[in-house]
Amino acid sequence: IQLTQSPYSLSASVGDRVTITCRASQVIGNYLAWYQQKPGKAPKLLIYGASTLQSGVPSRFSGSGSGTDFTLTISSLQPEDFATYYCQQLSGHVSFGGGTKVEIK
Amino acid sequence: EVQLVESGGGLVQPGRSLRLSCTASRFTIEAYTMNWVRQAPGRGLEWVGFIRSNLNGGTTEYAASVEGRFTISRDDSKRIAYLQMNSLKTEDTGVYYCSRAPRFALLASDYWGQGTLVAVSS
Repeated sequence: IQLTQSPYSLSASVGDRVTITCRASQVIGNYLAWYQQKPGKAPKLLIYGASTLQSGVPSRFSGSGSGTDFTLTISSLQPEDFATYYCQQLSGHVSFGGGTKVEIK
Repeated sequence: EVQLVESGGGLVQPGRSLRLSCTASRFTIEAYTMNWVRQAPGRGLEWVGFIRSNLNGGTTEYAASVEGRFTISRDDSKRIAYLQMNSLKTEDTGVYYCSRAPRFALLASDYWGQGTLVAVSS
């Protein structure tokens, strides 16, 4: 199953609303997760089950979607949110999207 | 706090083997699917494979790029998951992460190790 993330990168300012999309090549139900990764660090789980916020993750992060189309939204971008974000599907063999780099405008 | 620590990485020649270990602290791995994920320099995340808990059969799944060359195993009594890598290729170079996947998270990984670097080069 292929995952297509868009955009590849984006520039945004603190306080902006940011939306990242992930499209699966097949129906995957809600077997989708979102991760944040900062340079030199391991990924951090943000969202699982397409829309469930992982414990300890700020509520400005939210996920939506089911089937093949999914979205990660950051409602008000904070300085610590500048990072690369990955979607991951867990329906059968696992795969990751190509990543979206969120940079400071 | 829950901790995963990878070890065993290093520089290896193409065609040789290497075994990575993932040691868990402050939790027992027996209830978890254990994953391996890698990241080539400057690239994105690539799933390598996982091993289900013994409660769920202890079976394994692998990415096509490593099928037949890599083997994942587990020793729950030692709290260790292993990644045996044979017939290594230069394209296997990267940071290798292990992670645990609890059932409640629909197999998403809630804790990750810090990674260990594998460099395949002659």
